[in-house]
Amino acid sequence: EAAVTQSPRNKVAVTGGKVTLSCNQTNNHNNMYWYRQDTGHGLRLIHYSYGAGSTEKGDIPDGYKASRPSQENFSLILELATPSQTSVYFCASAPTGEQYFGPGTRLTVL
Amino acid sequence: GQQVQQSPASLVLQEGENAELQCNFSTSLNSMQWFYQRPGGSLVSLFYNPSGTKQSGRLTSTTVIKERRSSLHISSSQTTDSGTYLCAMETRGSAKLIFGEGTKLTVSS
Repeated sequence: EAAVTQSPRNKVAVTGGKVTLSCNQTNNHNNMYWYRQDTGHGLRLIHYSYGAGSTEKGDIPDGYKASRPSQENFSLILELATPSQTSVYFCASAPTGEQYFGPGTRLTVL
Repeated sequence: GQQVQQSPASLVLQEGENAELQCNFSTSLNSMQWFYQRPGGSLVSLFYNPSGTKQSGRLTSTTVIKERRSSLHISSSQTTDSGTYLCAMETRGSAKLIFGEGTKLTVSS
């Protein structure tokens, strides 16, 4: 089974601060994804990538940037964090179709 | 509109009863993926099912493209099956998943 790890697992940030969430996968999957999960909204796609150097906007990209410097790593960047970005963030990877999820990062923006 | 409709929203069973969870989709499907999630936990992939029936232990997934539906059947439920079950649709020509709202399952002994 695919191994997807995320760091940090928990993060408290201040409004206006910069936050970087990291994701690493060791299975050489081409595709990687960032989602957020909120009560009442389910899971929503923020950004995704088809491989090193590529990033694509998902359904709710505003306020987020993504970076894919290598096949293994995919980062989500909040340049100016806001309380509305308090959520649980999941990273996933996929060779093509089936997606494998990381353990999640709980982000609280005060 | 919502492209993936999941039902029921919640389900309460006695241990040993069977459960049938449904997802209906409104656009062209490449595959349906089913996940299990514990409160505060990550998503565990149960099935990736483009069509037909797949079984794993007490779990069975059936996807019928023509009827635009996919189901997850849990037989002889156990208390450890409690949690949220999510379906997610992979549309044709896209590497993205569109998630349903989930079914919260509670199995009591």
